[in-house]
Amino acid sequence: EVQLVESGGGLVKPGGSLRLSCAASGFTFSSAWMSWVRQAPGKGLEWVGRIKSKTDGGTTDYAAPVKDRFTISRDDSKNTLSLQMNSLKTEDTAVYYCTSGFVWGQGTLVTVSS
Amino acid sequence: DIVMTQTPLSLSVTPGQPASISCKSSQSLLHSDGKTYLYWYLQKPGQPPQLLIYEVSNRFSGVPDRFGGSGSGTDFTLKISRVEAEDVGVYYCMQSIQLPITFGQGTRLEIK
Repeated sequence: EVQLVESGGGLVKPGGSLRLSCAASGFTFSSAWMSWVRQAPGKGLEWVGRIKSKTDGGTTDYAAPVKDRFTISRDDSKNTLSLQMNSLKTEDTAVYYCTSGFVWGQGTLVTVSS
Repeated sequence: DIVMTQTPLSLSVTPGQPASISCKSSQSLLHSDGKTYLYWYLQKPGQPPQLLIYEVSNRFSGVPDRFGGSGSGTDFTLKISRVEAEDVGVYYCMQSIQLPITFGQGTRLEIK
């Protein structure tokens, strides 16, 4: 079964850090371009960033609101995608999904509040 | 950034009747490789988004054939030939021809 499972969400204070993980199974993770997409409470979908497959360069791209604060990485040996979030702001509060575009995880909630 | 504009923003449909959602992009989504990078997702209540249609008109695995996508350039449409109760949720179009990847605002479909 093709599956993505996120973990690592929680409550963090403004200015704090959090690391999300996404475990992939059932497909060739190493070949996939992977993205993080977030959804603030009651709002629409917002793309956060993407990492290409290593064969396509393994480069990363980010949305303007998170650039220089968030870092996406991948470990193809463990079929895992990560999102390191630093200098968190209240407006980063959202459910964070990892996705290949074709498959989405269930999401993990990040709440930034004092 | 490419702006994706969906209409209508909400839709109330009687089961068995058709439904149609429009998505217009601020720039052409036709790539030089010949593909058009327009996708449709459905987010059912309490669930993550699920892919319905990729590259304008290709149904994803397991998607019922009552869902159909069409369009070109900057104008796209998702049609449901006969709405069923399980189709409720929010429909999003998305473009990936240019970064940042952007989504439409979403169209909420409810059953009458």
